[in-house]
Amino acid sequence: AQSVTQLGSHVSVSEGALVLLRCNYSSSVPPYLFWYVQYPNQGLQLLLKYTSAATLVKGINGFEAEFKKSETSFHLTKPSAHMSDAAEYFCAVTTTSYDKVIFGPGTSLSVIP
Amino acid sequence: DAGITQSPRHKVTETGTPVTLRCHQTENHRYMYWYRQDPGHGLRLIHYSYGVKDTDKGEVSDGYSVSRSKTEDFLLTLESATSSQTSVYFCAISVSGVNTEAFFGQGTRLTVV
Repeated sequence: AQSVTQLGSHVSVSEGALVLLRCNYSSSVPPYLFWYVQYPNQGLQLLLKYTSAATLVKGINGFEAEFKKSETSFHLTKPSAHMSDAAEYFCAVTTTSYDKVIFGPGTSLSVIP
Repeated sequence: DAGITQSPRHKVTETGTPVTLRCHQTENHRYMYWYRQDPGHGLRLIHYSYGVKDTDKGEVSDGYSVSRSKTEDFLLTLESATSSQTSVYFCAISVSGVNTEAFFGQGTRLTVV
């Protein structure tokens, strides 16, 4: 069965530093892939998604992610962290039957001034 | 913001009582989902619907039932609430299937005592 892992439940970066949040999935069947962000006491909102077009996907707020099939990864990056980026980030992938979306456990990002 | 309203936003209930959570959308989207969010687990799919009266189980459906008699409403019922069902519940909608963006409601915080 498809599974999603996010390395690091908590990540801290300094303001202006590179943000790197890791996501790996288990299936050999290329899925659709998503990154969602959740601010405190809110629902999730889509940052970006990969649906078999370009492997480097650009999203909102300066985030981007690269799909690497050989590594079954979809890591999220942002060149320069801003205080407003502090939130919970979730990687999500479709199941091999493409009927459901599986969410990772999430990574909490803290930005240090 | 996507027109999704969850009610109630907060609820405390006693073990053994039935509880119904409501999700209402104004977007006329075909797909609706119920997730629960627990620390360390991310979001887990409880049930989903792909049309009026068309529903299916997700990963953690035991103890839950759903109904969708109108496009705009998706109800989640805890048949006999248990403490393990204490969680934050999110409703989500999408235009079509898993390859499209999901829009999330604000969540319902349910405490079972």
